[in-house]
Order: sequence, then C-alpha cells, then structure tokens
Amino acid sequence: EPEVTQTPSHQVTQMGQEVILRCVPISNHLYFYWYRQILGQKVEFLVSFYNNEISEKSEIFDDQFSVERPDGSNFTLKIRSTKLEDSAMYFCASVDPRAGNEQFFGPGTRLTVL
Amino acid sequence: AQSVTQPDIHITVSEGASLELRCNYSYGATPYLFWYVQSPGQGLQLLLKYFSGDTLVQGIKGFEAEFKRSQSSFNLRKPSVHWSDAAEYFCAVGPYILTGGGNKLTFGTGTQLKVEL
Repeated sequence: EPEVTQTPSHQVTQMGQEVILRCVPISNHLYFYWYRQILGQKVEFLVSFYNNEISEKSEIFDDQFSVERPDGSNFTLKIRSTKLEDSAMYFCASVDPRAGNEQFFGPGTRLTVL
Repeated sequence: AQSVTQPDIHITVSEGASLELRCNYSYGATPYLFWYVQSPGQGLQLLLKYFSGDTLVQGIKGFEAEFKRSQSSFNLRKPSVHWSDAAEYFCAVGPYILTGGGNKLTFGTGTQLKVEL
C-alpha cells in the first residue's frame, strides 16, 4: 500500500541553523500539507500546498518557514534560522482530491533544536 | 472558525472494559470527521472517518464512532479495550470538498488513554 515517507526521522540542530525536512507524498496525490506537534500538545496546521503554490498558511508559518516541491516527488519544509521553540514533531500529509479530504500522514520527523 | 474539543485529557480504563472518548466540533459546513491514534513516538494512524451515510461508522482495531449532528459530536467507542489500545487519540475535522485552499484539518487536544491490566 502506498504511503507517505519522511526523512530524517530525527534531526538535531543548533539554534540559528537552517534545516530542511523532506517528505515524499503518495505519487498521485495533489494536495500537500505540513503539520507540527510540540511535545504534549495537539497537532497544528502549518501550511497547505497545491498547484505549486501555498494555498493556506497558519500564523505559525512566518518568514522563517518555506515549502517547496523541487521535483515531481519531494515536498520539503525549510526553517531558515531555527529557534528553540521550533522543536517539535513535523508531519507531512498528502491528499488525493478524488477521494475527499482524507489526509495520509507520514511517520513524522522529530526536530530537536539545542 | 472550525474547532474541535476533546474534554477528557486523560482516561483510564481496565482491560476488557468499554470505552468512549468524547469529541465535539464546531464547523460552518458539513464536516468531514476523523479519529486518529498515536502511539508513543509514532505517527498518526487513521482509525475511522465520517462524511455522510450511516451515522455509526466502523473503523480498524474494533473501534466505532457515532456522528450526532444535533449534538455536534463524534464520539469514539470500543466495546472491550485491550492493553495495546493505550495511546493518544485525536479527533479532527475538515472539509470534504477540496477547493484549492482552506483544506486543513483541525485537531483536538487529544485524549491519553491508559489501560489497566
């Protein structure tokens, strides 16, 4: 069964460094999302991406964040200058629009900012 | 604005006992409702979903949920809990029809389930 994959599973970085989190959505899906979950808290929407552009973003998704679909398979989230409060689990999700809004989630990348 | 409320932060049940996790939502249109389960350090696994049809939906692992429009609720149930069900459970709501934007899911704060042997 096709699934969303994410790499790396765990990323440790120093405050102020740039990180890129990678996702490979399910191949025929057209909508892509990033969510994050700070330890012990709920899953929060960050950004949605459709037709090669951001379709919606939350107030969390400030200028330090960017997303890109550099080729036909990868979907990346970049944090330019990480802060301690960026430490969280980041989930990628994708959707096949022919099947409604069932979002298929990847296993997540745990980002630790020291 | 859409929102999801899970009033129970923690629930403890004995193995073999029945379980009900509560979820109330606020949504301006016909909601698409989900329950996800998250084991420690793991990702989100879809248990079940509801958009239309029979208001009692069956999911994986023996879970079911009932949609009650009049109460804006979508409670998750299981007749007999197993120790392996200990995890965190999230209710989520979103649109069914994708519009190119605004298709995010809004999650509740989660309910942590502990199962006593």
